[in-house]
Amino acid sequence: EVQLVESGGGLVQPGGSLRLSCAASGFTFSSYWMSWVRQAPGKGLEWVANIKQDGSEKYYVDSVKGRFTISRDNAKNSLYLQMNSLRAEDTAVYYCASYSPALDAFDIWGQGTMVTVSS
Amino acid sequence: SSELTQDPAVSVALGQTVRITCQGDSLRSYYASWYQQKPGQAPVLVIYGKNNRPSGIPDRFSGSSSGNTASLTITGAQAEDEADYYCNSRDSSGNPELVFGGGTKLTVL
Repeated sequence: EVQLVESGGGLVQPGGSLRLSCAASGFTFSSYWMSWVRQAPGKGLEWVANIKQDGSEKYYVDSVKGRFTISRDNAKNSLYLQMNSLRAEDTAVYYCASYSPALDAFDIWGQGTMVTVSS
Repeated sequence: SSELTQDPAVSVALGQTVRITCQGDSLRSYYASWYQQKPGQAPVLVIYGKNNRPSGIPDRFSGSSSGNTASLTITGAQAEDEADYYCNSRDSSGNPELVFGGGTKLTVL
């Protein structure tokens, strides 16, 4: 079964850090671009970051540049998002998704992990 | 960065046809993909490319594009189609920097 499972969410104070993880199974993880997409409570989807299959290219939405870092470990079939200097506006469900440039689409999604930034 | 604009809400009578639109400059160069999201669930890809459906998506879902507008059409809407729908495309730069539309809440009456 094709599956993405996120973990690492929780409550963190403004200015704090958190590292999200995403475990992939059921497909050849190393062959896919991977992405993080977030959704603030009651709001729409927002793309956060992409990483190429070998980690050589990374892209970020402007609002997280310099604060968030996407990375991957193909040997462990895992994707990560290191989030530093967190702000209240980063509060959201964070989804891990596989992105196919050939399809120009996110074809596999995890169930998400909630991040709450609050004092 | 580019923006994609969707109507916030659309309604359709059961069994009728509804079109959900997405406007943006990047759509002149790139196809939109479309996602269905029901409350408390992760998004699901329903349309990608010119007009392609992933396995398991009913054929009542179709996509089209003209100029700066992409459309998702549901022909014969069912009660289970009531959901939020989001379009997505690349930024005009051509890099895989992506943008989502604001979403359309579809109500099936």
